[in-house]
Amino acid sequence: GQNIDQPTEMTATEGAIVQINCTYQTSGFNGLFWYQQHAGEAPTFLSYNVLDGLEEKGRFSSFLSRSKGYSYLLLKELQMKDSASYLCAVREGTGFQKLVFGTGTRLLVSP
Amino acid sequence: ETGVTQSPTHLIKTRGQQVTLRCSSQSGHNTVSWYQQALGQGPQFIFQYYREEENGRGNFPPRFSGLQFPNYSSELNVNALELDDSALYLCASSFSGELFFGEGSRLTVL
Repeated sequence: GQNIDQPTEMTATEGAIVQINCTYQTSGFNGLFWYQQHAGEAPTFLSYNVLDGLEEKGRFSSFLSRSKGYSYLLLKELQMKDSASYLCAVREGTGFQKLVFGTGTRLLVSP
Repeated sequence: ETGVTQSPTHLIKTRGQQVTLRCSSQSGHNTVSWYQQALGQGPQFIFQYYREEENGRGNFPPRFSGLQFPNYSSELNVNALELDDSALYLCASSFSGELFFGEGSRLTVL
């Protein structure tokens, strides 16, 4: 089975940098996903890591260490619209699309 | 734009009723999966379909069933609705390892 842990809430100010951590325990690992979800909306794909290291996409970066069961999502130059929940999810090796999600980190960006 | 569309966006049912939710994904996306997201929780995997056959299932009872059609559309059916079935139901399809969700169908059971 899988266990995904991420902080429940974080706060940051506009223009700052924030790092959202995710740790996981898994019996099979085939990639880690980060999604952004605004209240009442569906999750939006942000990043996918399957190998160790850093993936950068504009203001967002995601890091993975498989040996430590650890990932983080880094958000730079925060904007008010970045206020949302950020979901970490791990794909199990045996299921092509089965993702196991954490409960999400609610990020509040203040002026 | 993810290329995954769902209908209806919102619906209200009463306990004991049945519901059918629909999803349409892009041509060539031959795997579709469904997730249930309760308020304040992360999505939970219900099942996935590949080439019209169910080939993976999460911890959901048999009253949750599905269909996938040759035209890349699919359905999620829930029988004997319970109050706890109130949630956002998400359909997802995959391309190049990245999993994209539709906008979801929000079901309220009264």
